Amino acid sequence: NAGVTQTPKFRILKIGQSMTLQCTQDMNHNYMYWYRQDPGMGLKLIYYSVGAGITDKGEVPNGYNVSRSTTEDFPLRLELAAPSQTSVYFCASRLQGSNEKLFFGSGTQLSVL
Amino acid sequence: AQSVSQHNHHVILSEAASLELGCNYSYGGTVNLFWYVQYPGQHLQLLLKYFSGDPLVKGIKGFEAEFIKSKFSFNLRKPSVQWSDTAEYFCAVNAQGGKLIFGQGTELSVKP
Repeated sequence: NAGVTQTPKFRILKIGQSMTLQCTQDMNHNYMYWYRQDPGMGLKLIYYSVGAGITDKGEVPNGYNVSRSTTEDFPLRLELAAPSQTSVYFCASRLQGSNEKLFFGSGTQLSVL
Repeated sequence: AQSVSQHNHHVILSEAASLELGCNYSYGGTVNLFWYVQYPGQHLQLLLKYFSGDPLVKGIKGFEAEFIKSKFSFNLRKPSVQWSDTAEYFCAVNAQGGKLIFGQGTELSVKP
């Protein structure tokens, strides 16, 4: 099992550019999440999904969009990148149930200059 | 809206000292509670979790946490810390149908 695969690992964007962060999991998890991690701020939830076709806003959704057309994939779209979106982004997934362990991708370090 | 607050941003302890990290959440309904640890350069790892039953839960590496419903708290404890416990600790709450919110984290530094 590959677990949660997140690409790219690093990216530099210019202000106003757009990009998509890819996230794929092969564990048949129904829940998927996008977080951003900034120093001293912990992990902030951007968007989450409880299953294919269902997405919902988290704590800091502005400037981002997601889709969940399949159980496996949960891409995060940045439109009109801004310096405030410089951060480390983590995709995560888990299976609803008694275990509830969260599996993380390796992260994407994004700089917007 | 659900939220999680961790009181301490940075805690410095000597080895063998006792540890207690505070975590409070806001949500009136049923919650699932978690503590995660992030060692330098690594992903978050699950330390322990509370779903129901005994409010005192034990996790890995000698950590435990107590859920006090009346105080909306889920504090993390360890009787005697080690240098290897140096890490960042995150409290998390799952309340509204899958939405998992993390606190801002507490950095723990243990002096040998």
